[in-house]
Amino acid sequence: QSVLTQPPSVSAAPGQKVTISCSGSSSNIENNYVSWYHQLPGTAPKLLIYDNNKRPSGIPDRFSGSKSGPSATLAITGLQTGDEADYYCGTWDTSLSVWVFGGGTKLTVL
Amino acid sequence: EVQLVESGGGLVQPGRSLRLSCTTSGFTFSDSVMNWVRQAPGKGLEWLGFIRRKAHGGTTEYAASVRGRFTISRDDSKSIAYLQMNSLKTEDTAAYFCTRVQWGEATVGATNAWFDPWGQGTQVTVSS
Repeated sequence: QSVLTQPPSVSAAPGQKVTISCSGSSSNIENNYVSWYHQLPGTAPKLLIYDNNKRPSGIPDRFSGSKSGPSATLAITGLQTGDEADYYCGTWDTSLSVWVFGGGTKLTVL
Repeated sequence: EVQLVESGGGLVQPGRSLRLSCTTSGFTFSDSVMNWVRQAPGKGLEWLGFIRRKAHGGTTEYAASVRGRFTISRDDSKSIAYLQMNSLKTEDTAAYFCTRVQWGEATVGATNAWFDPWGQGTQVTVSS
């Protein structure tokens, strides 16, 4: 059972928009900063969003992050088949003094 | 180019030990916090721990699941981070990734950190 809760899977058609939620608490998301990672099949995870809503160079602006209270959201617009991957949120948990990941969400582009 | 390359994985019997290495290049290793994450087959990401830079004491933090069995260390002269794994269990079977921890500005009391980049991972299989 992950400290951060993500939906196991989401799906949408090419060109559509999808959102992935990441629900936590006051000891993690609400009072720390969230990052998101994506993992294409058979590859290592890569940073997608940091500092709640910033994109590393090379990540298109179709990807955006937001945070409100104890929850964070990753939005992907203009879905492409190449976006099919597993997506993870992560942050520091101040009470546990550990880093925590969400359980991951598998995105299927129909 | 920033690179992290893990090595040292393989097949090991339960109860035995294994040491993984994370060889880095392209950035100032001694100024960096280094981190380990694993992923069991078909499962999500699990944070294992990190080691601070020597300027901050070179101290470590660990996940409860591995505290006391796993030890992270660093050799700044070689730009290598290590993960020493003792008393291995079948449930330690996973791909092991090293990452660099990066930090940003944060409000008072908050932690603003992220993991970038990641190595390609090394597979550890614990089985008799």
